[in-house]
Amino acid sequence: DAKTTQPNSMESNEEEPVHLPCNHSTISGTDYIHWYRQLPSQGPEYVIHGLTSNVNNRMASLAIAEDRKSSTLILHRATLRDAAVYYCILATGNQFYFGTGTSLTVIP
Amino acid sequence: KAGVTQTPRYLIKTRGQQVTLSCSPISGHRSVSWYQQTPGQGLQFLFEYFSETQRNKGNFPGRFSGRQFSNSRSEMNVSTLELGDSALYLCASSPGLAGSLRGDTQYFGPGTRLTVL
Repeated sequence: DAKTTQPNSMESNEEEPVHLPCNHSTISGTDYIHWYRQLPSQGPEYVIHGLTSNVNNRMASLAIAEDRKSSTLILHRATLRDAAVYYCILATGNQFYFGTGTSLTVIP
Repeated sequence: KAGVTQTPRYLIKTRGQQVTLSCSPISGHRSVSWYQQTPGQGLQFLFEYFSETQRNKGNFPGRFSGRQFSNSRSEMNVSTLELGDSALYLCASSPGLAGSLRGDTQYFGPGTRLTVL
């Protein structure tokens, strides 16, 4: 039973905002939400993480629903370097549960 | 600082053999986590070590084991290899203070590509 659900792929025009959704309906109170991205032939790279409140860093923003059953990763201005597979991860209990990832294509 | 290094980068084994993969974390990091990535199952968490002790464990059989040394370097061992063990094995290090499941940022290595024939 998948802990996180993400769309398989999304497209965005360069320099426009991108909203990548993730559902994690089984989340419990102490579970963290992490986002990593992976470029071809590389290991995953940290993007952002959060628990309950919305979070911002230099790379992205994370908007967490009030009931915490879904979240959205926001890239404010997509660049060609943002083309990657984005993984939504639920850190629950004593392990991580990865989603299947959303492959983001950025159109010049 | 040097990044996470994994050796070897590529490995070919046959069914029934065992294999040991090595991971050197970023200097000063005390936590090392291991992941398996396959086209069919995606990314799956194997285990995390912190200060030479296994802190967290995923849902893998006992054939998958690991250890961490006093210098934080870690090894992962897979015994009695099966065809389904063919995968990219990723190692990630983090400072270890908050725990990778909580607030620590993980830094991934390039992975070891294991092929089981």
